Amino acid sequence: GAGVSQTPSNKVTEKGKYVELRCDPISGHTALYWYRQSLGQGPEFLIYFQGTGAADDSGLPNDRFFAVRPEGSVSTLKIQRTERGDSAVYLCASSPSGRAYDEQFFGPGTRLTVL
Amino acid sequence: KQEVTQIPAALSVPEGENLVLNCSFTDSAIYNLQWFRQDPGKGLTSLLLIQSSQREQTSGRLNASLDKSSGRSTLYIAASQPGDSATYLCAVHSGAGSYQLTFGKGTKLSVIP
Repeated sequence: GAGVSQTPSNKVTEKGKYVELRCDPISGHTALYWYRQSLGQGPEFLIYFQGTGAADDSGLPNDRFFAVRPEGSVSTLKIQRTERGDSAVYLCASSPSGRAYDEQFFGPGTRLTVL
Repeated sequence: KQEVTQIPAALSVPEGENLVLNCSFTDSAIYNLQWFRQDPGKGLTSLLLIQSSQREQTSGRLNASLDKSSGRSTLYIAASQPGDSATYLCAVHSGAGSYQLTFGKGTKLSVIP
């Protein structure tokens, strides 16, 4: 079946603008995760959804970042007043149930560049 | 706070060699450990998942071992091929109600034909 998909694959924006990044998880997966990967680093956790609710948002760097998953499937990561330091690859992952032993499956990522 | 370290940061080997990539983590209370492959400009491809109760997992030419008590995992690649060239990332799923993966910075592997 289809894997995790993310759109757009690339996004270039200007400092101060608002952006939305979309994630489509594997069908039937209830758990969804967002990570951010800066150049030369491993991915860092941002937020975890179980169904429609954010079960853990401890990785969001500040209140300019927000994510939603209104119907328990597609998720949108929203970044307000973008800064150059927000430039990174934003990765989305899903897992069947969010249980501790679940494998996480990653999408191709969205490369965000803030000029 | 869980920290994951991968050594070496980069590795270059001639085709056909067997090689070992290392991963260490500071908190041994983990649920599982995943090895991923990342090609340039691409997302992560899961290679192997080892649950905390397991000692190793194998898939084709790949074998991953886990020593939870010492906080170490190794990824063994047999008979390396140029197509194995990529960055390999290790990630642990820690316990205590955490759902996130904590990643190392990766090992960049180059297999020379």
